[in-house]
Amino acid sequence: EAGVTQFPSHSVIEKGQTVTLRCDPISGHDNLYWYRRVMGKEIKFLLHFVKESKQDESGMPNNRFLAERTGGTYSTLKVQPAELEDSGVYFCASKASRPGELFFGEGSRLTVL
Amino acid sequence: SQQGEEDPQALSIQEGENATMNCSYKTSINNLQWYRQNSGRGLVHLILIRSNEREKHSGRLRVTLDTSKKSSSLLITASRAADTASYFCATDPNSGGYQKVTFGTGTKLQVIP
Repeated sequence: EAGVTQFPSHSVIEKGQTVTLRCDPISGHDNLYWYRRVMGKEIKFLLHFVKESKQDESGMPNNRFLAERTGGTYSTLKVQPAELEDSGVYFCASKASRPGELFFGEGSRLTVL
Repeated sequence: SQQGEEDPQALSIQEGENATMNCSYKTSINNLQWYRQNSGRGLVHLILIRSNEREKHSGRLRVTLDTSKKSSSLLITASRAADTASYFCATDPNSGGYQKVTFGTGTKLQVIP
């Protein structure tokens, strides 16, 4: 069974540019989460999808961040325009049912110069 | 508010010693989970303890949960150099609706060979 995959693994962009991160959850997992870790600090919740619906997006920093989950399968997280403080590692995780363990991808490291 | 604050923030021990990490949280939970993150990798689920459980074992791992104190501890016995990683607790809230699984800042464990 394939795990959670994220793409790209590392992205380096200039301030003001746009980046789109992608997450493919484990097949059949309705729950999909995005998290971010900045400079070794806490793993901060961004949002939670249940199938294609945004269940909780209270952690999204601002309207420069847009997440979608097409057809309840893969998800994208777009940052437009990127700012310096957006740098960090973005993790995606999926879960089959609640409550239960989360399965994480390897993360997408974003560097904004 | 942030759930899951780990203590200590960093821990350095000799191989063969035991490592204890603590986690405190603020609201009621359905379960509490511990994860490990090796440098540059995604998070790996270690163990889940439900709110009605007080202690759980998995190999060299022992987790305790005290819901009256809203705290948990992770004990790694007979540590190995390969245990060097960051360890996070995560809380899954007790709610009829969907809510976010939240993480803390983690404990960075270094096991010296």
